Amino acid sequence: DAGVIQSPRHEVTEMGQEVTLRCKPISGHNSLFWYRQTMMRGLELLIYFNNNVPIDDSGMPEDRFSAKMPNASFSTLKIQPSEPRDSAVYFCASSTNLQHSDYPNTDTQYFGPGTRLTVL
Amino acid sequence: AQTVTQSQPEMSVQEAETVTLSCTYDTSESNYYLFWYKQPPSRQMILVIRQEAYKQQNATENRFSVNFQKAAKSFSLKISDSQLGDTAMYFCAFGNQGGKLIFGQGTELSVKP
Repeated sequence: DAGVIQSPRHEVTEMGQEVTLRCKPISGHNSLFWYRQTMMRGLELLIYFNNNVPIDDSGMPEDRFSAKMPNASFSTLKIQPSEPRDSAVYFCASSTNLQHSDYPNTDTQYFGPGTRLTVL
Repeated sequence: AQTVTQSQPEMSVQEAETVTLSCTYDTSESNYYLFWYKQPPSRQMILVIRQEAYKQQNATENRFSVNFQKAAKSFSLKISDSQLGDTAMYFCAFGNQGGKLIFGQGTELSVKP
């Protein structure tokens, strides 16, 4: 079975440009998570979705960041305008929500390969 | 707020030896989950092992086992018969019922031939 798919794997852009990162979760998973990894701050949860609905976006650093999940098999994380401090590895992860509630239980999260973003 | 602490930034071990990575956490919740993830140089995050807080029995997965001490809020990972392919960054993570994972800062493990 295919794991979590992310694209692109690497992205180099200039400050001020719009960046869109893409994620396809594992088929059948209904929870999706976006993380950012930097040397200074480690791994941080940015936002997560349950059944395509954003549940908690408190980790999104500022209004320049936005995320969408138009259907169960696709999500995007957009940065507009991008800044050098956004340079990081961005991970998408998915899991199965076994509870009938708005909040996912802590089933195992499976991570994609990540997108390394460099903003010059 | 929950926190996860890995006090060993770097460790090394000889091939075929045993090594233990430490992790402590802080929470006021009673139901939660703990994980160890491995991140090799490829940067792929790979689940190593998972432990439910309500289970007293320590989880094991082949050469990997944990020592879960709930009262002490400690969750260490033991790797037996270390292999070169075990060289990676290891992250301890805390998961609550809300679905969030909170990661420690990681321990970089080097397995030497």
